[in-house]
Amino acid sequence: AQSVAQPEDQVNVAEGNPLTVKCTYSVSGNPYLFWYVQYPNRGLQFLLKYITGDNLVKGSYGFEAEFNKSQTSFHLKKPSALVSDSALYFCAVRAYSSASKIIFGSGTRLSIRP
Amino acid sequence: DTEVTQTPKHLVMGMTNKKSLKCEQHMGHRAMYWYKQKAKKPPELMFVYSYEKLSINESVPSRFSPECPNSSLLNLHLHALQPEDSALYLCASSQVQGRGRNTGELFFGEGSRLTVL
Repeated sequence: AQSVAQPEDQVNVAEGNPLTVKCTYSVSGNPYLFWYVQYPNRGLQFLLKYITGDNLVKGSYGFEAEFNKSQTSFHLKKPSALVSDSALYFCAVRAYSSASKIIFGSGTRLSIRP
Repeated sequence: DTEVTQTPKHLVMGMTNKKSLKCEQHMGHRAMYWYKQKAKKPPELMFVYSYEKLSINESVPSRFSPECPNSSLLNLHLHALQPEDSALYLCASSQVQGRGRNTGELFFGEGSRLTVL
């Protein structure tokens, strides 16, 4: 069975500071890992994904994520937060299997204060 | 801007009504999905269509009836819903996941917010 955990319900960061949103996963075999962002009353937007290769992947809006196989983690990062980054962030995992589903974490609300 | 279009954006219905939610995409994706999302919760998978055939039904009550008329369209027919069915219903599409050729990341519409009175 596959699962994904986001241990923080909320993360608060001052504008201009670096931010990290944590995610850990459990899956049989090699994972496909994703980050999505959701603004209020909107659908989810794809930010970035890890398939294979370089452990640091870059995505939209200046976000990046670091894959760590030994810690089974895929934390989302940004060097300098913007107020407009305030939103709900979901980590998701899909097993390397044609029959697998994308499983979402519980979500982390990111709040950036001016 | 999303390339997955959902209509209507808002729907209010009584428990005896019959209504439909519609979803359309023109990205050539052959997998389409319905998700249900309650406030401050992650999306919950309801149905998956792959090549216009229903491939996953997550034990959804029969008062929700999906339909995929062609590769670009996905409908969700609603009948005799309950107030607890009130939620944001999200449609998504993806390439069909292949062996190493694509990862099947989802592209979501803006959602249809359903209120059942």
